[in-house]
Amino acid sequence: AQKITQTQPGMFVQEKEAVTLDCTYDTSDQSYGLFWYKQPSSGEMIFLIYQGSYDEQNATEGRYSLNFQKARKSANLVISASQLGDSAMYFCAMRDPYSSASKIIFGSGTRLSIRP
Amino acid sequence: NAGVTQTPKFQVLKTGQSMTLQCAQDMNHNSMYWYRQDPGMGLRLIYYSASEGTTDKGEVPNGYNVSRLNKREFSLRLESAAPSQTSVYFCASSRDRVNTEAFFGQGTRLTVV
Repeated sequence: AQKITQTQPGMFVQEKEAVTLDCTYDTSDQSYGLFWYKQPSSGEMIFLIYQGSYDEQNATEGRYSLNFQKARKSANLVISASQLGDSAMYFCAMRDPYSSASKIIFGSGTRLSIRP
Repeated sequence: NAGVTQTPKFQVLKTGQSMTLQCAQDMNHNSMYWYRQDPGMGLRLIYYSASEGTTDKGEVPNGYNVSRLNKREFSLRLESAAPSQTSVYFCASSRDRVNTEAFFGQGTRLTVV
């Protein structure tokens, strides 16, 4: 069965520092998609970045990058130059293309707090 | 563009009562999902649907039923609410392709007393 694991329940980082949020996944499929979402205290789910299993380059979106290590089954999110507004819950997710609705499963999340 | 709309936003139920959470999307997506979010457990998939008239169980389907009557709407029903179903419920939709993200509604905060 597929599984997403986020081992850091909470992290504190000083403003302007870079931060890495860990995500490991388990799947027997060769084709899959990996996503990161941000959930601020207001509760909405905000899509940040996507990485495909066949993508050779690590995905980047502004200050967000995804450190994808396929052999280790890890997809860590890196936030450069952290800002106070980055304080939020962050969820890693995986999409299985072979299920009937291409289901998406999530990890338990990491609560990131940025210190001024 | 409304995206994914959930109703209600808040609800308090007594144990044993029933209710239906409504979800509608206007993005012409085939895939729709229901999740529940509990502290320390992330988002867990309850049910999902590939298209009108089809539904599949997710990770935690017990105690819930769903209905996908048309492409736009995907409802979640609690037949006999229990305190363990106190949670925040999210509906989401997406296109079918593996490289497309899901779009989420604003969530429903449900309390069962």
